[in-house]
Parts: sequence; structure tokens; C-alpha cells
Amino acid sequence: QVHLVQSGAEVRRPGASVKVSCKVSGYSLTEMSVQWVRHAAGKGPEWMGGFDPDDHETLYAQRFQGRLTVTEDTSTGTVYMELRSLTFDDTAMYYCASLEVVPAAVGLTGWFDPWGQGTQVTVSS
Amino acid sequence: EIVLTQSPATLSLFPGERATLSCRASQSVTRYLAWYQKKPGQAPRLLIHDTFNRATGIPARFSGGGFGTDFTLTISSLESEDFAIYYCQQRYKWPLTFGGGTTVEIK
Repeated sequence: QVHLVQSGAEVRRPGASVKVSCKVSGYSLTEMSVQWVRHAAGKGPEWMGGFDPDDHETLYAQRFQGRLTVTEDTSTGTVYMELRSLTFDDTAMYYCASLEVVPAAVGLTGWFDPWGQGTQVTVSS
Repeated sequence: EIVLTQSPATLSLFPGERATLSCRASQSVTRYLAWYQKKPGQAPRLLIHDTFNRATGIPARFSGGGFGTDFTLTISSLESEDFAIYYCQQRYKWPLTFGGGTTVEIK
């Protein structure tokens, strides 16, 4: 059974960067598609990026292109999410989640299950 | 990207009542829609995938329906633990997107 455990809460100044980790157990990272989803208060969840289920390359939402990097360390089973040039609008709970990969109309997509416990990132001056 | 609009924003009901939540997509997602439950301090929990398939361990009082652009999540008889926020998510194409949520609160 897949289990995801994230690193602890972070506080950053505007303009700084944050790196959150997600340790996966119960499955090999190379056989999974881990994604990052953030959830700001009062809004719906937002997919940020992760590993493309088709080829395991990184895949990013357009709005995060250029300031988001997702990496993995297969030796430790850990996935990382680094977000740069933080603004107040980046204050949110950040989740890693395993994508249950299935065929879609074109290519592969999926639903998110299970999720990590979440990491609160607060951007404050 | 596909926009998902959920309604109503808030549903106020008594325990034991039936809850019907709606999710509308800006274009057809065929049957590729999932539902999640979110409680304070917890990660989202998958309830239903591909319109009507309950996830492991989800009680039968949760059911989903619809096709194309209009979908519903029904909770047949609300239990105390069901008062939460519910989100829909489409997997028809990337980027995967979520709706803005419906809060089911105790009346």
C-alpha cells in the first residue's frame, strides 16, 4: 500500500523559495506518477505539476512554468517540489499525491489517491 | 483548460437528509470525473472516480452520476461525518482541474 509523508510547515518571505519533500513508501517511484496539488483557503485545489504518466518526464501547469521544479531521488524514494519567487498568493497547503493512472480520451491521466498529509507554506513579510 | 463549476456553494441540511451536489464542466469530460471529500486538517479523500465508481472503503450512501458536462454526487442519508467540503476533478485532459467546492453543513 502506497504511503506518502511530507516535510513540515514552512514560512518564507516574498521573493524567496521553498522546497517541500514527499517520502513515498510501499511502491517504487519509477512505477508511480507523483503529483503536487496546492489548496489555498476558500478556493478549490489546484494541480501544479508532477511526473507525466506517459513518459515519467516532468509536467507543469502553465501558470507555474519557470518557477516550479519537481524532482525525485529514487534511492530514498523521495519527491521534491521547489517553488521560487514566492508571493503572498502562494500561501496554501501543499500536497503530494499519487496519480492512479488510467487511459483517457488521449494519453494517460488519472485521479489522486492517496495523498500526503500536506505541508503548510506561509508567505509573510 | 477545463473549468469545473460546482453548485450550490453551500448546502445546509439535517442529518438523515439527502444531499445532491452538482458539478458542471465547461466542455465534455465524458465520464472522466472524480469526487473528493475534504475535512479540516485532513488531506482530500477520494470518494468516487469515473463518475460512479466508489473508491475502496467508501460507503454505499455515496453515489455519483452524469455524463458529458453535468454530474452529481448524492449522499442518500447524511451521517455526522459527512459534513465537509466536496470537490470534483476532471481527468479528461491535462491540466487536471478541480471545482471550487460545495460545503455541506449541518442545519
